[in-house]
Amino acid sequence: DAGITQSPRHKVTETGTPVTLRCHQTENHRYMYWYRQDPGHGLRLIHYSYGVKDTDKGEVSDGYSVSRSKTEDFLLTLESATSSQTSVYFCAISAASGSYEQYFGPGTRLTVT
Amino acid sequence: EDQVTQSPEALRLQEGESSSLNCSYTVSGLRGLFWYRQDPGKGPEFLFTLYSAGEEKEKERLKATLTKKESFLHITAPKPEDSATYLCAVQGVDSNYQLIWGAGTKLIIKP
Repeated sequence: DAGITQSPRHKVTETGTPVTLRCHQTENHRYMYWYRQDPGHGLRLIHYSYGVKDTDKGEVSDGYSVSRSKTEDFLLTLESATSSQTSVYFCAISAASGSYEQYFGPGTRLTVT
Repeated sequence: EDQVTQSPEALRLQEGESSSLNCSYTVSGLRGLFWYRQDPGKGPEFLFTLYSAGEEKEKERLKATLTKKESFLHITAPKPEDSATYLCAVQGVDSNYQLIWGAGTKLIIKP
């Protein structure tokens, strides 16, 4: 299994509070991704990173920010959580060359009340 | 616009009853097509990458094939433990390593 961990695994928070999710990898892969998965929508890309301090927006980036200060860590921040951000969040990694497949972490279930 | 459509949305089979899942795609230039398996409460698990039409990959009871417009995931003599949601994704040559995902097919194998 690819060495990807996510923390926390479960979180309940109130509307308006900031939340940070962490993704940590031990594979030294260049690319890292944050997705959310909701019933009826499948996997949707929030943000991705193509190197340390290099990030870009995905299709559902509004209300989210990211940071990557080290190769192994990719942080997703909800500046002011809303109920529409209740979801399961997955981190994924991929190598910059080769077969390009993405490997996923175990996910974080976030509930905003 | 790059797009992936999976069918059917759900498929119920008896144990041992072979069938196929479909993934239709449109992409300006295909770098790769990916199949994943996802169990409830877990992250997607990578199964196969296919790169060009005519290519086939196999793993246990699963076989993935690729044409210029679609991919099939054939399941031969499935067992209850093959029950999962199967996801398909494509990566275009101009995608900057992003994947376009289908909504998945939920497969249920009854003993």
